[in-house]
Amino acid sequence: GAVVSQHPSRVICKSGTSVKIECRSLDFQATTMFWYRQFPKQSLMLMATSNEGSKATYEQGVEKDKFLINHASLTLSTLTVTSAHPEDSSFYICSARVYWGGAGDTQYFGPGTRLTVL
Amino acid sequence: QKEVEQNSGPLSVPEGAIASLNCTYSDRGSQSFFWYRQYSGKSPELIMSIYSNGDKEDGRFTAQLNKASQYVSLLIRDSQPSDSATYLCAVKSGFQKLVFGTGTRLLVSP
Repeated sequence: GAVVSQHPSRVICKSGTSVKIECRSLDFQATTMFWYRQFPKQSLMLMATSNEGSKATYEQGVEKDKFLINHASLTLSTLTVTSAHPEDSSFYICSARVYWGGAGDTQYFGPGTRLTVL
Repeated sequence: QKEVEQNSGPLSVPEGAIASLNCTYSDRGSQSFFWYRQYSGKSPELIMSIYSNGDKEDGRFTAQLNKASQYVSLLIRDSQPSDSATYLCAVKSGFQKLVFGTGTRLLVSP
């Protein structure tokens, strides 16, 4: 399957700082990437859809000014959590969409980034 | 009403048994169906995808789809303790976003 990487895998920061998370598709080009957040013992929550060269589409209730998404190339999307607070502590996971032509498409997930805000 | 429903479990099966995981969905226009496995503290890993009614087998895994009943299942034969994880059902219509169920936790005891 397609490989998606994320960096960093774990980050601890102080309240009020900003944190940038990178998501890369390693062996394919991804015009669309997705950012999810997952709290302990809960399911994935889609935050936004990131399209290369255009603005991200945010899900209802997700603050676009707090969670900045940039998809500057076909292999890289970044999520910046601005002015992070303890309630932003969570597991952030990106995924990249692979198109199989007439067979549809599949999403492959990165390994995730665990953010802890003190 | 939830769009994709799964029993949260845990589903407990002994090693070597068949584990049966079920999922129902509400959107009749759904065309693509996926099963992901997620170990605790890790991100989801794609196990199976299925697009047509019937069964699709891959090793010990079999996905079953019944669009008329809006039902998709995953069978795991010869379950192993390493199969213990949360299994997420995901459904998609066309090029829309994936909709995930809340997952079923599977416990395979030695």
